[in-house]
Amino acid sequence: EVQLVESGGGLVQPGGSLRLSCAASGFSFSTDWMSWVRQAPGKGLEWVANLNEDGSKKYYVDSVKGRFTISRDNAKNSLYLHMNSLRAEDTAVYYCARAFFRSFDYWGQGTLVTVSS
Amino acid sequence: QSALTQPASVSGSPGQPIAISCTGTSNDVGGYNYVSWYQQHPGKAPKLMIYDVSNRPSGVSNRFSGSKSGNTASLTISGLQAEDEADYYCSSYTSSSTPYVFGTGTKVTVL
Repeated sequence: EVQLVESGGGLVQPGGSLRLSCAASGFSFSTDWMSWVRQAPGKGLEWVANLNEDGSKKYYVDSVKGRFTISRDNAKNSLYLHMNSLRAEDTAVYYCARAFFRSFDYWGQGTLVTVSS
Repeated sequence: QSALTQPASVSGSPGQPIAISCTGTSNDVGGYNYVSWYQQHPGKAPKLMIYDVSNRPSGVSNRFSGSKSGNTASLTISGLQAEDEADYYCSSYTSSSTPYVFGTGTKVTVL
């Protein structure tokens, strides 16, 4: 059974940093592109970032470029999102998702990031 | 990259068909056959319902179908059921620096 389990969310002050993790199991993690998608409270989905199988290609939504870094450790079947210079508008539930063709077929349960003083 | 445009809400009676539209541009929906649809129940993670415009993943009911014409994609639910009440989002691959964009979301209500 495919499972994606996010962790690392919490309350952080504006300008602070946080690292999200996503533990993957039940599939060959090292052969799949992976993404982070977020959803602000009561709002829609927003694609945040993705990376290829070996982590050599990374893409970001414009609003997080220079502040967020996506990475992976295939030996640990884990995906990460390093978030710096956090802003109130980064408050959201962050989901990790597996790429399936040009869609996302498996999602974690999400981890809530709240940026507030 | 702006979000794709969806109607805020769509409703229908049990057994009736409904359709949800998703309008973009030639840089996303119109330029690629890479439109996908997601169902999200309150407090839950999204679930993939349709990929590559009209393909259903294994396990998704055949009451769900997808299509595309020009810059607008559509999700049709035939024979609406109570459990179909949820939020639905479209998504498309794009030619911009942001490779994926989601729609604004549609709340489906079963009357």
